[in-house]
Amino acid sequence: DAKTTQPPSMDCAEGRAANLPCNHSTISGNEYVYWYRQIHSQGPQYIIHGLKNNETNEMASLIITEDRKSSTLILPHATLRDTAVYYCIAPRNTGNQFYFGTGTSLTVIP
Amino acid sequence: GAVVSQHPSRVICKSGTSVKIECRSLDFQATTMFWYRQFPKQSLMLMATSNEGSKATYEQGVEKDKFLINHASLTLSTLTVTSAHPEDSSFYICSAQETDTQYFGPGTRLTVL
Repeated sequence: DAKTTQPPSMDCAEGRAANLPCNHSTISGNEYVYWYRQIHSQGPQYIIHGLKNNETNEMASLIITEDRKSSTLILPHATLRDTAVYYCIAPRNTGNQFYFGTGTSLTVIP
Repeated sequence: GAVVSQHPSRVICKSGTSVKIECRSLDFQATTMFWYRQFPKQSLMLMATSNEGSKATYEQGVEKDKFLINHASLTLSTLTVTSAHPEDSSFYICSAQETDTQYFGPGTRLTVL
């Protein structure tokens, strides 16, 4: 896996965009970047993944820098239910094992 | 789509007994499933990779004789914690791989008394 670095915690006002950064400076050319979130006492929920192009789905947008050394997950209109720990993962292609870091604990404030 | 279930969601057992946890992919077939463990206030730790029809691959430090994994079909993997002890109390989570994405189950809370 490419090592990923995320801030331990962030706050976001309800209704505003939440921008969660992730550094993965050692990522190789064929390693995807995945984002998951975990709400307390639940299994992680898949959000989005990408290789080098920006991606958008119904949950979020993923912006990957041109050099692929960092990415940002954007929740466009954060709600209280988006309060969770967000994990950025860049697994090796072979086997696709995920080695989770400590993630970012996002708190959405009313 | 891409739903993964686990059973049971919560189990309490006595020290020395064995506990089986099931992980099922409900709407897709999964050649590969993964088992994780999570202690309170910690991140998920990968325990093993389970491949249908073959032996599981365990991460370093995980005892294969204590955590028995069987992946007998494309929709079912089981984790058996043998001779459980209080230190095995944890949140066990499985995931199943569909194409290039892992989908996680809701987790099983194991408490060993």
